[in-house]
Amino acid sequence: AQSVTQPDIHITVSEGASLELRCNYSYGATPYLFWYVQSPGQGLQLLLKYFSGDTLVQGIKGFEAEFKRSQSSFNLRKPSVHWSDAAEYFCAVQGTGFQKLVFGTGTRLLVSP
Amino acid sequence: DGGITQSPKYLFRKEGQNVTLSCEQNLNHDAMYWYRQDPGQGLRLIYYSQIVNDFQKGDIAEGYSVSREKKESFPLTVTSAQKNPTAFYLCASSIGSGLYTFGSGTRLTVV
Repeated sequence: AQSVTQPDIHITVSEGASLELRCNYSYGATPYLFWYVQSPGQGLQLLLKYFSGDTLVQGIKGFEAEFKRSQSSFNLRKPSVHWSDAAEYFCAVQGTGFQKLVFGTGTRLLVSP
Repeated sequence: DGGITQSPKYLFRKEGQNVTLSCEQNLNHDAMYWYRQDPGQGLRLIYYSQIVNDFQKGDIAEGYSVSREKKESFPLTVTSAQKNPTAFYLCASSIGSGLYTFGSGTRLTVV
C-alpha cells in the first residue's frame, strides 16, 4: 500500500523568501502525486499534480514541484512567498487504476513579515 | 457553477446521538469519498463509493455508515458507536481515479 511522509510539521518563512516543502512517498511503481493547500476551516484546493512526463510540474499561485524517482520525493517549491500563502499543505499519492488517495500529515506554513 | 456542497458547516452532537452529514455534488462524478481530519493526522479515509448503490470501507469506518442511493449524494452518519467523533469532516468526489474536488467541510463537535 502506498504511504506519504511529510517530515516537517511546521515551517516558518519570511515574506519574499523561497520555500521548499518536503514530501516522500512509498509505492512500488510510479504513482500519481498531488499537492493540496488548505486554509483554516476550509476544504482542500489542488495546487498541482504529477501523472507522467516532465518531472518538473507547474501549478497555481506560482508553485512548482519536482518528481525525483530515485529519492521517492515530490517536493513543493515557491521562489518568493507571500503572506497569503500561509496555510496547511498536504502531499498525496495515488496508485494507478482506481485506488484511494493517501495523504501525508500536512505541513503548516507560517509567513513572517 | 459545479461543485460539492457540504452541510451543515458546524454540527453539535450530544453523547449517544446519531447525526448525519450531507454531501451533494453536481459535477457528475462517479466516485465520492468521506475523510476525517484531526490535527496532526492528515486526512483519513472513512468510506468511499465508486458507483451508485455500492460503497467500501476506508481505513477508519468503525462507528460510521453511508449510503449512495443517488449519484449526486453521499451522506455520512456518525453513529453513537463512534467514541471520538469530534473532528473536521471532508467530502470529495472524482471521475474514477484522478483529480479530487473537495467540499468546504463540516466541523462536528460533541457537547
